[in-house]
Amino acid sequence: DGGITQSPKYLFRKEGQNVTLSCEQNLNHDAMYWYRQDPGQGLRLIYYSQIVNDFQKGDIAEGYSVSREKKESFPLTVTSAQKNPTAFYLCASSTQGQIPNQPQHFGDGTRLSIL
Amino acid sequence: AQTVTQSQPEMSVQEAETVTLSCTYDTSESDYYLFWYKQPPSRQMILVIRQEAYKQQNATENRFSVNFQKAAKSFSLKISDSQLGDAAMYFCASKTFTSGTYKYIFGTGTRLKVLA
Repeated sequence: DGGITQSPKYLFRKEGQNVTLSCEQNLNHDAMYWYRQDPGQGLRLIYYSQIVNDFQKGDIAEGYSVSREKKESFPLTVTSAQKNPTAFYLCASSTQGQIPNQPQHFGDGTRLSIL
Repeated sequence: AQTVTQSQPEMSVQEAETVTLSCTYDTSESDYYLFWYKQPPSRQMILVIRQEAYKQQNATENRFSVNFQKAAKSFSLKISDSQLGDAAMYFCASKTFTSGTYKYIFGTGTRLKVLA
């Protein structure tokens, strides 16, 4: 079955440390997204990518970085510059207009906490 | 700016009863799509129902239906015969084509409690 795999499910970060969250999809989707979810704030867009080797900042990109070297993969790095990284992170993917009414598909998320 | 607003942070419903979750949106685009997602305690985002803006008929998926009022920019979700498994966070979302890309906007969510 096709889907999106996020790993790890739980991640702990020490002060001053960079950590990378993995997101892999086998849906053959062109577009991929990273969201941050905090209580009472819904989903906020961190970065998105419409095509390999290209990505754009979302609403809260500061302290995060991404890469898109392969269509299937869109890893997110939470850098030490992100002072409040504790949150639930969701990765999503979607088609790019071939079927306009298609929604985003989501992974199961990664819970990041500060040690 | 495009927005999606869910004005009910929390709702409760008795098992087997009907509940309606509210959602309003704002967009200047004429072509857009609306979705309701369910997020149970497992945190997985599950698509509940979708509505194309160009369709006048309200979407229905089993016990879930929407009341789409395009002029009022309202997109409420009705859950009939509520079940304990319906307890979750529900997010309303819009999808619009803006500046050459599809843009997704999510509301802040409504937590639904189902009482036995």
